[in-house]
Order: sequence, then C-alpha cells, then structure tokens
Amino acid sequence: QLQLQESGPGLVKPSETLSLTCTVSGGSISTTHYHWGWFRQPPGKGLEWVATISYSGSTYYNPSLESRVTIATDTSKNQFSLEVSSVTAADTAVYYCARHPYNIYEFSRNWGQGTLVTVSS
Amino acid sequence: DIVMTQSPDSLAVSLGERATINCKSSQSVFYSPNNKDYLAWYQQKPGQPPKLLIFWASTREPGVPDRFSGSGSGADFTLTISSLQAEDAALYYCQQYYGLPLTFGQGTRLDIK
Repeated sequence: QLQLQESGPGLVKPSETLSLTCTVSGGSISTTHYHWGWFRQPPGKGLEWVATISYSGSTYYNPSLESRVTIATDTSKNQFSLEVSSVTAADTAVYYCARHPYNIYEFSRNWGQGTLVTVSS
Repeated sequence: DIVMTQSPDSLAVSLGERATINCKSSQSVFYSPNNKDYLAWYQQKPGQPPKLLIFWASTREPGVPDRFSGSGSGADFTLTISSLQAEDAALYYCQQYYGLPLTFGQGTRLDIK
C-alpha cells in the first residue's frame, strides 16, 4: 500500500528557505503516469495546491508561488522535495505531499500526514 | 483561476438526517471529449490529511460508505450524506482539477446537532 511521509524542519526564519522531503514507500515515484504534489493549509484555513512533478520530471507550479518554489525528485531515494524561498509568516502552514493517480489534471488519492512549518524569528 | 465557492460555510444536522453541501465553480469544469466533470470531494478531520470521498463529481472512492454521494455537472455540484453518522462530523472541501492552478472551495464545517 502506497504511503507518503513528509519530513523537514518545523521552524524556519523569515527570509530563509523552507525545505521539505516526501518519502514514498509501497511504490516507485518513477512509475509511469504518477504525479507527485505538494499542498499546504495555513492554521485554521483551507487547502492550497503548491506544486506537482511528474514521473518524467515535468513540473507544475501555482502561479501565486511560482517565483519562490522548486519541486524536484530523487529517484535513488524514492523521494520528492519542495523548496520555498524568501519565506514570510504567510508561508506558515501544514504542508502535505500527495499523489495524483494519472496526471496533473486529477484528484489526489494518497496523502501524507502533513508537517507543520512555522515561519518565525 | 477557477474559484470554488461552497455553501453553506457550516451546518449542523441531526443523526440519521440528510446533509447537503453545495459547490459552485466560477466556470464549467466539464470536459466534453471524455464527458467528465473534473470535481472531487474530500473529508478532513482535525489533525488528519484530506480523505478523498468522491471524484469525477459522482464516483465514490472504494471503501467510502454509500451514504456519501456526489451529483451535479458543469459548474454546480452537491455532496449528500444520506443518513448522518457521528463519525461524519468534519470539514468538507470540493476541488476542481479541470485547470491550473488546482483550487479548492473554502470548506464547509459539518457538525452533529
């Protein structure tokens, strides 16, 4: 059964770069058609899509964040990652990694448990 | 961006009664070449990730109780819980995946009356 687990620092200082990793088990991130995404949810607020990367390395970003966000895969470790640069308090959120079953234009069936990242000095 | 608007923001329903949550998109999310509506529903409980309930507007995710159903097409959609159980108290979100960026409704809080 596919499982996803986020990891990374829980506290990041303003203006620094937030770096998160999602470790996938029970399946390969290189499996044809799979797409891997990051979502976030500020405390007490709704869900926001951040970025997605395909099994072949194609990337898709939310335009509202695109200038500050990078998504990448590490197939040797079966992981994918997210970096958000120049963070502010507005980037404080629970960050979830998830899988789209077939392509970017799909729902997300598998989700990690989420990791809270707080931006504060 | 496709804006998703849910109504109501919150509702309280008695056990065994029907709960209805609406979702309206700012443009149609129906794709005629494959005759599908690109709309999903998720349930989220405190401290948990979203759980997929419904996709393609009306297809129930395996393992989801059949009291959950999705309906609608184009730009107007509904999630119905036919006979509310205590464990259904949660936040519910609709999501469109027709266009980028992927977007969600603001959420509807469902409480037990």
